[in-house]
Amino acid sequence: NAGVTQTPKFRILKIGQSMTLQCTQDMNHNYMYWYRQDPGMGLKLIYYSVGAGITDKGEVPNGYNVSRSTTEDFPLRLELAAPSQTSVYFCASSRLAGGIRTYEQYFGPGTRLTVT
Amino acid sequence: QQPVQSPQAVILREGEDAVINCSSSKALYSVHWYRQKHGEAPVFLMILLKGGEQKGHEKISASFNEKKQQSSLYLTASQLSYSGTYFCGTSSAYGGSQGNLIFGKGTKLSVKP
Repeated sequence: NAGVTQTPKFRILKIGQSMTLQCTQDMNHNYMYWYRQDPGMGLKLIYYSVGAGITDKGEVPNGYNVSRSTTEDFPLRLELAAPSQTSVYFCASSRLAGGIRTYEQYFGPGTRLTVT
Repeated sequence: QQPVQSPQAVILREGEDAVINCSSSKALYSVHWYRQKHGEAPVFLMILLKGGEQKGHEKISASFNEKKQQSSLYLTASQLSYSGTYFCGTSSAYGGSQGNLIFGKGTKLSVKP
């Protein structure tokens, strides 16, 4: 079981470039999430998905887009990168059991992105 | 609203105890606690649910005061491995967008030999 995997680990983008952050989980979890973490600010939810084909915005969705065509994969797309998107990005997943979404979230190792 | 954690940072000697608090202005359904070591991903420690169900981890325990919308994480007989930043994440419902976690800014814990 690899858990949650993310690629790439590091990336430097120029302003205006685009890229896709990849996230894959092999635990058959229904829920998947994208967070960004800035120093001293905790984790902010960008987008989340309750299952294949269903996504919704979190707290800070502007400048990002997601899709979920399979249970396993949840890529995050950055269009027209800006310096404000410099951050560490974490993908996470959790399971749904008995209608209750209270189970722990499993995090991937993160992608450190710098936009200059 | 983002929950407020206190203290922001704490330094301990091995074997000492610590308490980290998490307070919200909204009625809570669940409180999660995670620990993150430098350069690594957050790792789940504990979940507390409205109604009192609790899960634990090693020598770490927690309480959840639903009336005050507060949770406290108790670390007893601290070990060097406890060093890291502790985050609480709160949800105000079990489903929908309100079932998503809102994380506090974190409490940095340093355990010295």
